[in-house]
Amino acid sequence: EAGVTQFPSHSVIEKGQTVTLRCDPISGHDNLYWYRRVMGKEIKFLLHFVKESKQDESGMPNNRFLAERTGGTYSTLKVQPAELEDSGVYFCASSRKRGGFETQYFGPGTRLLVL
Amino acid sequence: DAKTTQPNSMESNEEEPVHLPCNHSTISGTDYIHWYRQLPSQGPEYVIHGLTSNVNNRMASLAIAEDRKSSTLILHRATLRDAAVYYCILRPYNTDKLIFGTGTRLQVFP
Repeated sequence: EAGVTQFPSHSVIEKGQTVTLRCDPISGHDNLYWYRRVMGKEIKFLLHFVKESKQDESGMPNNRFLAERTGGTYSTLKVQPAELEDSGVYFCASSRKRGGFETQYFGPGTRLLVL
Repeated sequence: DAKTTQPNSMESNEEEPVHLPCNHSTISGTDYIHWYRQLPSQGPEYVIHGLTSNVNNRMASLAIAEDRKSSTLILHRATLRDAAVYYCILRPYNTDKLIFGTGTRLQVFP
């Protein structure tokens, strides 16, 4: 069974540009999560999809970030326009079910550098 | 959200047991305690979780204090492949959000 995959693995862009990150969850996993770690900080939750619906987007930092999951399969996270403080590692995770005992499986992350 | 506090780093020799502590004094009665670890250039991976009782699995053991204000991840015999950053995480009952701490970087020496 393939794990969670993320594309690209690295991205270097200039301030003001747009970047789109993609996440493919494990097949059959209805729950998809985005997290990020910016420089020197802890890994922080961004949002949670259940199929194509946003269940919890309390961690989204501002309206420059747009997450979508059309069709309930893969998800994209767009940053427009990117700012210097958006640099960091963006992780995607997926799980089959919801609940406190459910394991989230993480992808390797996308390393974003905004210059 | 409740927070976790962990030592920045710990060291161990191969084949020895490792006890990784975590304080979570503001934990609520329904927060789950999860441990994940992150190997170099990878995303976090699940290690173990619990609510009130101690837990064992093939990777590790989790000892939870009676008042639930602290927990300890126990690796019974450290190997070089266990070198990673270990995160003590709280997960509120009513959400799927994982609340990460700063993690403990574990070094294992041959």
